[in-house]
Amino acid sequence: DAGITQSPRHKVTETGTPVTLRCHQTENHRYMYWYRQDPGHGLRLIHYSYGVKDTDKGEVSDGYSVSRSKTEDFLLTLESATSSQTSVYFCAIGDHRGNQPQHFGDGTRLSIL
Amino acid sequence: DQQVKQNSPSLSVQEGRISILNCDYTNSMFDYFLWYKKYPAEGPTFLISISSIKDKNEDGRFTVFLNKSAKHLSLHIVPSQPGDSAVYFCVISGSARQLTFGSGTQLTVLP
Repeated sequence: DAGITQSPRHKVTETGTPVTLRCHQTENHRYMYWYRQDPGHGLRLIHYSYGVKDTDKGEVSDGYSVSRSKTEDFLLTLESATSSQTSVYFCAIGDHRGNQPQHFGDGTRLSIL
Repeated sequence: DQQVKQNSPSLSVQEGRISILNCDYTNSMFDYFLWYKKYPAEGPTFLISISSIKDKNEDGRFTVFLNKSAKHLSLHIVPSQPGDSAVYFCVISGSARQLTFGSGTQLTVLP
């Protein structure tokens, strides 16, 4: 177990509402990532962080924002959820040393009606 | 424009036989390649990796082969076991350690 907790694990909400997903790690890793998984696309990077208050965009960042005020927490926010953001969201953490593999949480299944 | 392509969405093999999963990539600048395995309702887990300076890496029943001239990666599982049934993702590590995933191959190992 890589010490990653995602919350909530499941959420159903309505279009236009704000949604925040939380990723918490106990490994003190510098890098944290948010991905979404959709059929036929594998996992796609939304945003990532390389330190406290240091974040950058990934491949599919439109409609999402992130914040990292502490090493252990990385928040993903959908300011106004749309049905196209229905997906499974995965958080990952990574070490700064060489090419150590990323470790993933168990995901949050988000449904936007 | 997909940078990592897994052209076989699914693969079925008999227990004890070899499973071969394939992956093609487009950018010759990539220098680190990984395979992740994913069970339903769980996050992906790291399986095996290979650097571009090598053409083979082995870990128990799992071997990854890299053909740089063909921009082709393959994962061999020998012998295949029912517990290996999962979705396998071919993954490329880029800048800032960002990962680019293929679309995945569902492997089913039949008892």
